[in-house]
Amino acid sequence: DVKVTQSSRYLVKRTGEKVFLECVQDMDHENMFWYRQDPGLGLRLIYFSYDVKMKEKGDIPEGYSVSREKKERFSLILESASTNQTSMYLCASSQSSRGGYTFGSGTRLTVV
Amino acid sequence: EDQVTQSPEALRLQEGESSSLNCSYTVSGLRGLFWYRQDPGKGPEFLFTLYSAGEEKEKERLKATLTKKESFLHITAPKPEDSATYLCAVQAWGSDSWGKLQFGAGTQVVVTP
Repeated sequence: DVKVTQSSRYLVKRTGEKVFLECVQDMDHENMFWYRQDPGLGLRLIYFSYDVKMKEKGDIPEGYSVSREKKERFSLILESASTNQTSMYLCASSQSSRGGYTFGSGTRLTVV
Repeated sequence: EDQVTQSPEALRLQEGESSSLNCSYTVSGLRGLFWYRQDPGKGPEFLFTLYSAGEEKEKERLKATLTKKESFLHITAPKPEDSATYLCAVQAWGSDSWGKLQFGAGTQVVVTP
């Protein structure tokens, strides 16, 4: 089974801190995605990547950046954390442009 | 713009009481429709993919169906372990889609003994 591993289950950070969320997949998938999930709003796409060093903005990229230096690793960066970035962050990967995702377990980030 | 609407928002069932969840969608060209199950505090778990109207998929007590405008997830004789949030997502054709999924807000299902 494909495994998508997110480095932290829970994180608490202070306002203004730079925050790194790491995601690693072990099945050589081409595409990787970062979503945030908030009650009543569902999953919203932040950034995605379809190849190493490639990145594309999703629906809500403001305040975030990403890095994909290796195929298996996709990092989400909060440049200067704010309280409205408190959320569940979900990483996912997929083999091709047609097909479902495999999700990680999520990182619950709280910004205080 | 692609839109996915799930109803109801929440559903409370007695064990054994069958019901259906609805996912209506608006998309320029449907490449695929996906159902996921999500348990509290965890990432979504893949259930089904449907590609064309009339297609059906089954897994244990769950059956997903697809029309040109909506999909249904039927839960037959549910058990407490079927309690979860069920998410629907669509994937559209298009040169810029890159396999992106547009998700609905989900239906939270609680099955009581």
